[in-house]
Amino acid sequence: QKEVEQNSGPLSVPEGAIASLNCTYSDRGSQSFFWYRQYSGKSPELIMSIYSNGDKEDGRFTAQLNKASQYVSLLIRDSQPSDSATYLCAGRGILTGGGNKLTFGTGTQLKVEL
Amino acid sequence: DAGVIQSPRHEVTEMGQEVTLRCKPISGHDYLFWYRQTMMRGLELLIYFNNNVPIDDSGMPEDRFSAKMPNASFSTLKIQPSEPRDSAVYFCASSLAGQGSYGYTFGSGTRLTVV
Repeated sequence: QKEVEQNSGPLSVPEGAIASLNCTYSDRGSQSFFWYRQYSGKSPELIMSIYSNGDKEDGRFTAQLNKASQYVSLLIRDSQPSDSATYLCAGRGILTGGGNKLTFGTGTQLKVEL
Repeated sequence: DAGVIQSPRHEVTEMGQEVTLRCKPISGHDYLFWYRQTMMRGLELLIYFNNNVPIDDSGMPEDRFSAKMPNASFSTLKIQPSEPRDSAVYFCASSLAGQGSYGYTFGSGTRLTVV
């Protein structure tokens, strides 16, 4: 079992719709989670972090964390073509890592269609 | 702030040659990470440093890979000898302990092609 799992996609949504990206993790000791956006040929860019159960909103983005279910999600409202990218989920405190080490999923490709 | 600076941006080398990748972290950051990204395996942590000291090198694939951080503003990742399967994008990232909400800041990466 991978430590952080994501559906590779592609996930296609029409412009203006809500995109829902999901991530599961295997280590119950994981403490914090991050969503990164990566455009093709570019480096990952941090867009959201979340530590506590529940929702955290930042503009069009909402991160959701459910520690009991070991599940993290990212919602993107009013999706735009510029949101088309690969979204990477990462967790800190994964398995024996701990400390400041992040473990990444393989990413979900999002395509926002006109 | 100039961000995390990596060089070179692209490297093409022949199998068996030595390759050195370079990284300058953000000033004041005390953690530095080297990741490798491929389509098949995604982002894999190779090694990370805290205050210039290697903390976890369990991700280094084999003895052909080595990394150093001689001071707080510079790190190298060396592959000797290089092999075609080393072809990937290598990212350096840095972060500041205690700023857990900020994750990492990545450099632009070095695309390595070994032919």
